[in-house]
Amino acid sequence: DQQVKQNSPSLSVQEGRISILNCDYTNSMFDYFLWYKKYPAEGPTFLISISSIKDKNEDGRFTVFLNKSAKHLSLHIVPSQPGDSAVYFCAASVGGNTPLVFGKGTRLSVIA
Amino acid sequence: GAVVSQHPSRVICKSGTSVKIECRSLDFQATTMFWYRQFPKKSLMLMATSNEGSKATYEQGVEKDKFLINHASLTLSTLTVTSAHPEDSSFYICSAGGAGQNEKLFFGSGTQLSVL
Repeated sequence: DQQVKQNSPSLSVQEGRISILNCDYTNSMFDYFLWYKKYPAEGPTFLISISSIKDKNEDGRFTVFLNKSAKHLSLHIVPSQPGDSAVYFCAASVGGNTPLVFGKGTRLSVIA
Repeated sequence: GAVVSQHPSRVICKSGTSVKIECRSLDFQATTMFWYRQFPKKSLMLMATSNEGSKATYEQGVEKDKFLINHASLTLSTLTVTSAHPEDSSFYICSAGGAGQNEKLFFGSGTQLSVL
């Protein structure tokens, strides 16, 4: 039973355009959501997060949108750059210092 | 930001040997550390929760006698893969979040284990 789902295993976007990565979850107890970026053979690095009390959080080129009623969140990257090419993991937490539940990841390729 | 150091980054070993992986929090105290495993094209799967001064909590399906976890101090947790076999070959990642870090866990750089 996968509580966090990223249904698109891969995504290709042209440089300069918008990348939209989607994530769905099933556990209504999740109250904090995070996006991590991972390069091959490296640990994930934190990108951006959002609390369940918000519906949008923006940090530079990265914006995360949360739709609680649909149990859906998305990460927007604009403009996309070749250095953004990586695997992006959506993760969720029920709060406190608890382990994250990860989606399977989406491989983003930004083509120059 | 908080830094988690993981060592070694890559290990190649013979079947039957044991391998120890270290995870250190460098600028904060981590009462809890998490160990994840990633298979190719799969998600990060939580293996166990390492608690300082007490026994680790293992996820269902993870053999506690095979994956020994020791969290002897507030800055160090170790994962020992005992009697490693080729099917243990994987990418292992630790993460930690100290007091006040809330949900923003910090990850080590990972260890690629290859068992021949």
